[in-house]
Amino acid sequence: DAKTTQPPSMDCAEGRAANLPCNHSTISGNEYVYWYRQIHSQGPQYIIHGLKNNETNEMASLIITEDRKSSTLILPHATLRDTAVYYCIVSHDTNAGKSTFGDGTTLTVKP
Amino acid sequence: EAGVAQSPRYKIIEKRQSVAFWCNPISGHATLYWYQQILGQGPKLLIQFQNNGVVDDSQLPKDRFSAERLKGVDSTLKIQPAKLEDSAVYLCASSLVRKTGELFFGEGSRLTVL
Repeated sequence: DAKTTQPPSMDCAEGRAANLPCNHSTISGNEYVYWYRQIHSQGPQYIIHGLKNNETNEMASLIITEDRKSSTLILPHATLRDTAVYYCIVSHDTNAGKSTFGDGTTLTVKP
Repeated sequence: EAGVAQSPRYKIIEKRQSVAFWCNPISGHATLYWYQQILGQGPKLLIQFQNNGVVDDSQLPKDRFSAERLKGVDSTLKIQPAKLEDSAVYLCASSLVRKTGELFFGEGSRLTVL
């Protein structure tokens, strides 16, 4: 599975959009991009995933570049409850659980 | 729908003692994972089951860690004897066989080894 690179930390003002980048330059053609987040003292929570096209659900939007070497998770209106560690992982759809989570990005939403 | 259940939530033991963690996955989820998460790091896979068979245990320190998933439902992870460096949160996750990218995690069991 391809490796990912994320900034260690980011801040965002409450109510503003949070844009979390992820670099996955070695991604292969059939690997998906998955995003999870982990709020303090809880287990990680699945957010969204995508292959080529941009995706949106009730939690977030995922923008994947045309060359698929990077992606951005967008939380459109960040709240204080969105403060968490966000993990970007790349994997084949059949076995994402084996992928390396890395250390993620700690997003702090400030009032 | 009930989530992934884990117990105990917290455990404190002395080094060289043994400890066991229990996980009950979401009903119908054939795939089950155990992860170790050391403070400040992302989760690291220890072992993966599909039904009651081991798919991958390449990262499990087999001299002290063991895991089983009898009857393909509940699973236990055991550490014996524990070392100081085993202090971590042990996370259990489950998924459907055909959607193994979408993992559902429990809240974890925090182990402190003194």
